[in-house]
Amino acid sequence: DIQMTQSPASLSASLEEIVTITCQASQDIGNWLAWYQQKPGKSPQLLIYGATSLADGVPSRFSGSRSGTQYSLKISRLQVEDIGIYYCQQASSAPLTFGSGTKLEIK
Amino acid sequence: EVQLVESGGGLVQPGSPLKLSCAASGFTFSSNWLNWIRQAPGKGLEWVASINPDGSSTYYPDTVKGRFVVSKDNAKNTGYLQMNNLRSEDTAMYYCARHGGYFDYWGQGVMVTVSS
Repeated sequence: DIQMTQSPASLSASLEEIVTITCQASQDIGNWLAWYQQKPGKSPQLLIYGATSLADGVPSRFSGSRSGTQYSLKISRLQVEDIGIYYCQQASSAPLTFGSGTKLEIK
Repeated sequence: EVQLVESGGGLVQPGSPLKLSCAASGFTFSSNWLNWIRQAPGKGLEWVASINPDGSSTYYPDTVKGRFVVSKDNAKNTGYLQMNNLRSEDTAMYYCARHGGYFDYWGQGVMVTVSS
């Protein structure tokens, strides 16, 4: 199974700050990676797919990048509505696996 | 508008079966994969089943293989997750989601509690 190691587990940042979350895949998954945001009490929402493509309706302050088997989600200017838990997910091969999540709070 | 609505959750005893439903609307259900993902209380996300558009192929992780069966009725725009021999560790919120690989639309989820 492909393991997705996500960091940090939690993050506290100020409004307008740049925030970066990373996921390390245990083997090559190409660009088969997605990022999701889960707000408190809600279902997860797709943010990024194909490692770098923005999902429909997602603000442009969110972006994804890849360096080898390391993937990053960047929020360029943190807003209040961005609080929640962020998950990465590999779609390269079954079983489809998620990272353990990053809880993002406002400082 | 794409909508996915789960139903059928509840409290069941260990070893019992339970069948979840996922009613879809706002898109061509017969052309899309159906997936089930669960989230134990306070925990992360775990993929539990996928079925291809025409229902001819299904996929499961080892944690549920042999106990869970995913199906879809394209005529009724509804997907199902039959869960057998439930265990306490199956207690979770269960979400159905559209697409293959990436999950672009999710339902609101349905809670399944396995306890004696």
